[in-house]
Amino acid sequence: NAGVTQTPKFQVLKTGQSMTLQCAQDMNHEYMSWYRQDPGMGLRLIHYSVGAGITDQGEVPNGYNVSRSTTEDFPLRLLSAAPSQTSVYFCASSSTGATNEKLFFGSGTQLSVL
Amino acid sequence: SQKIEQNSEALNIQEGKTATLTCNYTNYSPAYLQWYRQDPGRGPVFLLLIRENEKEKRKERLKVTFDTTLKQSLFHITASQPADSATYLCALDMRSYIPTFGRGTSLIVHP
Repeated sequence: NAGVTQTPKFQVLKTGQSMTLQCAQDMNHEYMSWYRQDPGMGLRLIHYSVGAGITDQGEVPNGYNVSRSTTEDFPLRLLSAAPSQTSVYFCASSSTGATNEKLFFGSGTQLSVL
Repeated sequence: SQKIEQNSEALNIQEGKTATLTCNYTNYSPAYLQWYRQDPGRGPVFLLLIRENEKEKRKERLKVTFDTTLKQSLFHITASQPADSATYLCALDMRSYIPTFGRGTSLIVHP
């Protein structure tokens, strides 16, 4: 039972570099989302998707792009990394996205931007 | 503005005691409230959900209360164990999709 799989686990970037954080789930969940977690800030929503082909912005979307071409995958792209994007990133999914559903989280990607 | 507040100071208790964590919210009336556990280096794991019309929910050693008048949820762990040491997050349905999370409270259970 893989659940939500995130890769890579760790990444170091230089300012201005681009990269994609991968997220895949094998539970046939319609809803997927990306959070970032910073010390003292809690989990903040970056982008979310309610199904293939549908994405929307969360609380802190600037500097990030997403797409949802399949139900299983929801990659997060950093177009031009900045030190302010140093954080731990979590992908989460739920069956339909209804607020009474529990979220399943991946194990996170720790990103450092130098 | 809408806020979710959890005690930022770690809660230290002795093994066997009951741990009580607090989640307060302002300027909002959630229909649901969820509690998650997060271990260092791991993603949060769902524990319990309570609805606005439920006063209390239990699961094994866990108990959650929801007081919509006080705008507060209490999360209790009875007979606490060192393995219960973790950060506990509450989350409310402040948006149409996905819960909005508090910052979490760290629980440390001493043997």
